[in-house]
Amino acid sequence: AQKITQTQPGMFVQEKEAVTLDCTYDTSDQSYGLFWYKQPSSGEMIFLIYQGSYDEQNATEGRYSLNFQKARKSTNLVISASQLGDSAMYFCAMRPLSGAGSYQLTFGKGTKLSVIP
Amino acid sequence: EAGVTQFPSHSVIEKGQTVTLRCDPISGHDNLYWYRRVMGKEIKFLLHFVKESKQDESGMPNNRFLAERTGGTYSTLKVQPAELEDSGVYFCASSRPVEGGSYEQYFGPGTRLTVT
Repeated sequence: AQKITQTQPGMFVQEKEAVTLDCTYDTSDQSYGLFWYKQPSSGEMIFLIYQGSYDEQNATEGRYSLNFQKARKSTNLVISASQLGDSAMYFCAMRPLSGAGSYQLTFGKGTKLSVIP
Repeated sequence: EAGVTQFPSHSVIEKGQTVTLRCDPISGHDNLYWYRRVMGKEIKFLLHFVKESKQDESGMPNNRFLAERTGGTYSTLKVQPAELEDSGVYFCASSRPVEGGSYEQYFGPGTRLTVT
């Protein structure tokens, strides 16, 4: 079984500052993928960034980067230079990359980020 | 390309009634998924189609839920009869398989179902 824990129900960040959203996970799978999604008020879930368990380098996508610490089972999302449009719910998710259930995403409860002008 | 679309965006029905949710995946995506978020809880997997075949329906809560994917294109999720605990947001997602499995699932905006 897999479990995702997001301990921050809500976060505030000043515009143009960087913010880190925490995510820890638990799994017995050797090969797995970690995902972050953004859900703005419109409701659509937008894929942001992916990290494979065997990737040695932290993933980066524009202003998004991951601080992946495999031994600690954490994959924190870092958003640099926050913008007002970053205000949204952020979900951390994972799934095994092979075997039974490899298509099932397991989600955390999410963190609501509010960017302050 | 057009994203995943879902219809309706919001549905309010009475307990005991039937509701059918529709999902149109991204064109060319053979994989289609249904997820659900009940108030205050995590988003949970319901089932997975590969083309018109159900690959995994281990997350379906009970036999009041029926999912179909006619011709491997759009999918419907029917709840019959609806119960109060079925209220929540139902998400559909689609993906194309990529070598090694490191692909992302693209989500639709969800259908908010309210059972009164």
